[in-house]
Amino acid sequence: DAGVIQSPRHEVTEMGQEVTLRCKPISGHDYLFWYRQTMMRGLELLIYFNNNVPIDDSGMPEDRFSAKMPNASFSTLKIQPSEPRDSAVYFCASSLSPEGWGHIPSYNEQFFGPGTRLTVL
Amino acid sequence: LAKTTQPISMDSYEGQEVNITCSHNNIATNDYITWYQQFPSQGPRFIIQGYKTKVTNEVASLFIPADRKSSTLSLPRVSLSDTAVYYCLVGEGSGYALNFGKGTSLLVTP
Repeated sequence: DAGVIQSPRHEVTEMGQEVTLRCKPISGHDYLFWYRQTMMRGLELLIYFNNNVPIDDSGMPEDRFSAKMPNASFSTLKIQPSEPRDSAVYFCASSLSPEGWGHIPSYNEQFFGPGTRLTVL
Repeated sequence: LAKTTQPISMDSYEGQEVNITCSHNNIATNDYITWYQQFPSQGPRFIIQGYKTKVTNEVASLFIPADRKSSTLSLPRVSLSDTAVYYCLVGEGSGYALNFGKGTSLLVTP
């Protein structure tokens, strides 16, 4: 498997523009997570899905952020309108549910993509 | 989720053993302890997970005392390539959300 795939790897945009980040999870994984990383706040969870359904979006900073997962192999994180303070590295990660790990139900390793570095001017 | 506290940064020389301790005083009975490693310009990657006592794999060892209020990640004989940020997380091992925070930035020098 190619691992978690994110696109684009780098995005530079101007304030007010719409930004769409994309993620393809590892095939067969039923959890998908979106994180944001900045120097100030570290790595923060924004939202996560289980079987394509959003479970917890309490980390989404405000209404300008939205995330969708139309099917098991694709998810998007959209920022509209973008602001300079949204500049960060955005990571997508996927994971199997405990049942998927058979005799190790506690195993919850998340597999991260390479990230998208977003710069809003 | 139980809150964790770990040092912001650590320095080490090549060949030394590095121990990073994480405090999690409010850990719950069902919580597991997980450590991730993040190299510059990459996403975090899983290193090790444990519930109690000691766990060892090809990368590191994880020591967890009986009260489970802390844990120590041990990296034997570090090399320059072990320079990375190390995150301690506590939470139910169910694929649910984990709080990474800022982690511990380890710098290994010659």
